[in-house]
Amino acid sequence: GAGVSQSPSNKVTEKGKDVELRCDPISGHTALYWYRQSLGQGLEFLIYFQGNSAPDKSGLPSDRFSAERTGGSVSTLTIQRTQQEDSAVYLCASSLMLLVGDTQYFGPGTRLTVL
Amino acid sequence: AQSVTQLGSHVSVSEGALVLLRCNYSSSVPPYLFWYVQYPNQGLQLLLKYTSAATLVKGINGFEAEFKKSETSFHLTKPSAHMSDAAEYFCAVSTNSGGSNYKLTFGKGTLLTVNP
Repeated sequence: GAGVSQSPSNKVTEKGKDVELRCDPISGHTALYWYRQSLGQGLEFLIYFQGNSAPDKSGLPSDRFSAERTGGSVSTLTIQRTQQEDSAVYLCASSLMLLVGDTQYFGPGTRLTVL
Repeated sequence: AQSVTQLGSHVSVSEGALVLLRCNYSSSVPPYLFWYVQYPNQGLQLLLKYTSAATLVKGINGFEAEFKKSETSFHLTKPSAHMSDAAEYFCAVSTNSGGSNYKLTFGKGTLLTVNP
């Protein structure tokens, strides 16, 4: 079956612009996660969704970052007024249920470059 | 708080040799432990996971890992390396404790090189 998909695969933007990153989870998966992978920080957790709800936004690095999920499916991660330190690969994952230990299946990521 | 330490950012082995990638975790409660592999320009693929059943866990591509509570370790092994095993490997932990219970906390990763 289809895995987690993300778009775009690559995004180059200028400092100060807003960007939207999209994630399509595996069909039927109720939980969705966003992570960021950068050379300096490694893999960092950003936010998770149970259905359309994100109970804990404390992993988002600043208030320029926001995320939403609609219809219990597609999620969008938005970064406003991008900065060079936002350059990273943004990974989305989904799991069947929101359970500790449930396998998270990852998408291929969106590579964001802020010039 | 939970954390993961992967000893050795880069491991190099010869084809056919034993692969040993080290992972130690820190957790105040029983952990769930995972190994993921990442090939260049791809996402993360699950190799195996420990969820408090058998301490020796077998995964895909001939990899296995053993959970040792006394050593707080979950090292990944493969008896005989193949060229196709060259990739970056990440150990991760998840626990049922306060805060974001559902997040994976990753180690810094180990880049495995396989020499012909």
